[in-house]
Amino acid sequence: DAKTTQPPSMDCAEGRAANLPCNHSTISGNEYVYWYRQIHSQGPQYIIHGLKNNETNEMASLIITEDRKSSTLILPHATLRDTAVYYCIVREIYGGSQGNLIFGKGTKLSVKP
Amino acid sequence: GAVVSQHPSRVICKSGTSVKIECRSLDFQATTMFWYRQFPKQSLMLMATSNEGSKATYEQGVEKDKFLINHASLTLSTLTVTSAHPEDSSFYICSARSSGGYNEQFFGPGTRLTVL
Repeated sequence: DAKTTQPPSMDCAEGRAANLPCNHSTISGNEYVYWYRQIHSQGPQYIIHGLKNNETNEMASLIITEDRKSSTLILPHATLRDTAVYYCIVREIYGGSQGNLIFGKGTKLSVKP
Repeated sequence: GAVVSQHPSRVICKSGTSVKIECRSLDFQATTMFWYRQFPKQSLMLMATSNEGSKATYEQGVEKDKFLINHASLTLSTLTVTSAHPEDSSFYICSARSSGGYNEQFFGPGTRLTVL
């Protein structure tokens, strides 16, 4: 079972920031937080990952709370092409079967003009 | 990011036939490959994990004799759906991870299988 909880859907206006929350209250010290997204009928696309510090790349920013029990993915200026299902996944860093990516239901983000 | 390809992108077959799907890592060596299945309006479900040169590890409930996985090289894994039936119709997605970049895992574009 997925170890994360996400809202099933969210709307965002084009050009505005999209803030996608994720709860992972049972995360352990050796688990990363990963974000992927899946545009309709395509394979998942890696967005970003982090352990405990906030991270930023060309696609998004990841804010992880100090207790690591929740995180927020921020798309700073959402476009229509960002409409997708966003998956928050926790994954062990030491490998083995617990290092596999297990997908939950994700959040369907709809960016509207 | 690294590129993972799948072939074919879509396939339609008759019930009872076997279908082979190829997954290739194009610009890195994939020591571990994964196969997922996704039914309409559902999330991805991990079917099996394979390491190059070893037998695949199947998730609970996935029939290893029906879904044959071969990971014979560091850039190629194949999934063969044997004696396909309409209930096997799904979106099959492979994923690849290199040994050098443990935190990096990339996905293929998926293969849409329709069994008539």
